[in-house]
Amino acid sequence: DAGVIQSPRHEVTEMGQEVTLRCKPISGHNSLFWYRQTMMRGLELLIYFNNNVPIDDSGMPEDRFSAKMPNASFSTLKIQPSEPRDSAVYFCASSLDSYTGELFFGEGSRLTVL
Amino acid sequence: QQPVQSPQAVILREGEDAVINCSSSKALYSVHWYRQKHGEAPVFLMILLKGGEQKGHEKISASFNEKKQQSSLYLTASQLSYSGTYFCGTEPPITQGGSEKLVFGKGMKLTVNP
Repeated sequence: DAGVIQSPRHEVTEMGQEVTLRCKPISGHNSLFWYRQTMMRGLELLIYFNNNVPIDDSGMPEDRFSAKMPNASFSTLKIQPSEPRDSAVYFCASSLDSYTGELFFGEGSRLTVL
Repeated sequence: QQPVQSPQAVILREGEDAVINCSSSKALYSVHWYRQKHGEAPVFLMILLKGGEQKGHEKISASFNEKKQQSSLYLTASQLSYSGTYFCGTEPPITQGGSEKLVFGKGMKLTVNP
């Protein structure tokens, strides 16, 4: 079985540009999570979907960030406009059902905003 | 609230033991442990759900003291492959106003040398 697939793996962009990160969860998993990892703050939960519905988006930093899950096999995290402080590794993770079990992380998307 | 992990970093020689602590200021429903190797995604180690429960994974075991709101990860006879950053994630009980949200600590960096 393929794991969680994220793209792009690396993204370098200039301040003000729009960034879209993509995630394909493991087939059959009902929950999907977007995390951001930085040295200063560690792993932060941005948003959590269950059955394609956003359950908790309290971690989304500001209106520049948005996330969608149009179907069970695809999610996007968009930053518009991007800023240098958004530079981080963004992980997508999926699980069978919420936090009752293991989170399977993708390999991450490393974003650098110049 | 983000759990506090201690120590922040440890350097061991192969074969030595280590203990990683995770504590929360709030009541806990569960504690999750993950290991992340440099440049890779976090990988699940174990979940502890009940007070005093102990679980094992190869030579890695953990305990969870629900009353003290603490968990400890025990690494016995460490191997080179144990090097990485260890994260604990804590989940509050929903009945106590928790948001069913897994919050990760900042991690403990373990280096195992030959």
